[in-house]
Amino acid sequence: NAGVMQNPRHLVRRRGQEARLRCSPMKGHSHVYWYRQLPEEGLKFMVYLQKENIIDESGMPKERFSAEFPKEGPSILRIQQVVRGDSAAYFCASSPQVEEGEKLFFGSGTQLSVL
Amino acid sequence: AQSVSQHNHHVILSEAASLELGCNYSYGGTVNLFWYVQYPGQHLQLLLKYFSGDPLVKGIKGFEAEFIKSKFSFNLRKPSVQWSDTAEYFCAVNTGGFKTIFGAGTRLFVKA
Repeated sequence: NAGVMQNPRHLVRRRGQEARLRCSPMKGHSHVYWYRQLPEEGLKFMVYLQKENIIDESGMPKERFSAEFPKEGPSILRIQQVVRGDSAAYFCASSPQVEEGEKLFFGSGTQLSVL
Repeated sequence: AQSVSQHNHHVILSEAASLELGCNYSYGGTVNLFWYVQYPGQHLQLLLKYFSGDPLVKGIKGFEAEFIKSKFSFNLRKPSVQWSDTAEYFCAVNTGGFKTIFGAGTRLFVKA
């Protein structure tokens, strides 16, 4: 049973380009979470999605960032017109259901570097 | 707003030394508490968790953590560390529902 798969592991973009980060949750998991990790700041919640629905995007910047989790295929975190401050590690996690304090299963992350 | 504070960003220990990593949270209600670990080059994985019951929780690889409600703390301990414990450790809190809040992490380096 494959774990949470994220790709690419490393992504380099120039300022102004678009970044697309993909996440395939564990088999049977219908809940996906995106976190961003900046140095010395830990993991910051960005968005929580279920299939075809954004449930909570309170941690996501209002502009340039969007996320989706279509009926078929992986969840996508999209960053338009990237800036240097977007450089960070982006982690995806999934869970089979939402119970109070459900354990999260994490992917290996995508390290985004903006030149 | 809820927050999680980890006291040390970097810890260096020799093998066989005892470990205690501090974690405090700010939330007055019922919480579920976690410690996750990220070994070099690997994804985050659950080390242990506390939901209810015995406040002393035992996890994998000889780790344990104690929930002290009056101090809003959930410190991680291990009596004798090994070189293979070199990793980054994250304390996390869930106050109900889907949102889990993480601390900034503590990088542990164990000298062989």
